[in-house]
Amino acid sequence: EAQVTQNPRYLITVTGKKLTVTCSQNMNHEYMSWYRQDPGLGLRQIYYSMNVEVTDKGDVPEGYKVSRKEKRNFPLILESPSPNQTSLYFCASRDPGREQYFGPGTRLTVT
Amino acid sequence: GQNIDQPTEMTATEGAIVQINCTYQTSGFNGLFWYQQHAGEAPTFLSYNVLDGLEEKGRFSSFLSRSKGYSYLLLKELQMKDSASYLCAVRDTNNNAGNMLTFGGGTRLMVKP
Repeated sequence: EAQVTQNPRYLITVTGKKLTVTCSQNMNHEYMSWYRQDPGLGLRQIYYSMNVEVTDKGDVPEGYKVSRKEKRNFPLILESPSPNQTSLYFCASRDPGREQYFGPGTRLTVT
Repeated sequence: GQNIDQPTEMTATEGAIVQINCTYQTSGFNGLFWYQQHAGEAPTFLSYNVLDGLEEKGRFSSFLSRSKGYSYLLLKELQMKDSASYLCAVRDTNNNAGNMLTFGGGTRLMVKP
């Protein structure tokens, strides 16, 4: 089944404790992205990647890092999480010019 | 930058027709997408318009007017399961070489019996 997977789906952590949210897609898509979704603000892009070892900042990259060492994986790293990073996070993938496929989401709470 | 506007909420009756509007401002328009998102779930793709006109897909249709910076999503024969948020997203060639999608805030549709 064609899909984007994310782990964990739910995470509660404390300020400053490094965490990684994994994302994997099995559709051989070139492009992958991370979004956060907050009430009243909609979906905002954090980072995206056009291919292996090629990443670029989205609208809200501060406090996040990404890497794309393999085509299928695109982990999101929070080196020192803060409460304002409490949000619902979605990973997505697509081919150039095509629609996005979203993962199931990761609900992160930083206390 | 881009500005994408959609109504925040709409209510409609089961079996009726509803039109959800989206207006946008871009410097290099390169496609508009509509997604459906049920509460707590991932967005799922509904439609894509890059040329002016109407694209029909079963009960759902999407219209685009590039000169007016305007699109709408038309949902016919509404069903209770259509209660969801509907997200308008625009791709701009001048926004990171067209590699970024900018989303509107979404329209929460409530279908009542």
